Amino acid sequence: GAGVSQSPSNKVTEKGKDVELRCDPISGHTALYWYRQSLGQGLEFLIYFQGNSAPDKSGLPSDRFSAERTGGSVSTLTIQRTQQEDSAVYLCASSLAAGGPNTQYFGPGTRLTVL
Amino acid sequence: KQEVTQIPAALSVPEGENLVLNCSFTDSAIYNLQWFRQDPGKGLTSLLLIQSSQREQTSGRLNASLDKSSGRSTLYIAASQPGDSATYLCAVKISYGKLTFGQGTILTVHP
Repeated sequence: GAGVSQSPSNKVTEKGKDVELRCDPISGHTALYWYRQSLGQGLEFLIYFQGNSAPDKSGLPSDRFSAERTGGSVSTLTIQRTQQEDSAVYLCASSLAAGGPNTQYFGPGTRLTVL
Repeated sequence: KQEVTQIPAALSVPEGENLVLNCSFTDSAIYNLQWFRQDPGKGLTSLLLIQSSQREQTSGRLNASLDKSSGRSTLYIAASQPGDSATYLCAVKISYGKLTFGQGTILTVHP
């Protein structure tokens, strides 16, 4: 079956603009996760959803970052007023559920470059 | 705060060698530990998941062990091949959802 897909694969934007990143999880997976991978910080957790609810948003770096999930499926991560330090690869993952021995399956990522 | 450390940061070996990658974590109260590989410009591929109650998991030429009490895991790769070249990441799950990752080990297997 299809894996996790993300769009766009690459995004170049100017400082101060808003961007939206999209994630399509594996069908039937109730849990969805966003991570960020940057050279200096490695791979960092941002937020996860169980269904449409986000029980843990602790990794969102600032209030410029928000995410939503609708219909228990697609999720969008929005970054407002982008800054150069937001440049990174944003990875999405999904799993059958957030608890238990459930493997997280990752998408290919969106590479965001803020000029 | 959980911290995950991977040693070595980089490793270069000739084809055919057996090798061990190390991962340590500071908080032993984990649900599970996963090993991933990441190829350049790609997402992560899950290799093995070890539950906190398990000691090891095997898949083909890969064997991962877990010693929760000492906060350590190792990934053993037998008879390495050039196709094994990638970055290997370990990640621990200490709460619902969130994985905490190490910085990774960059493995190069040369013919």
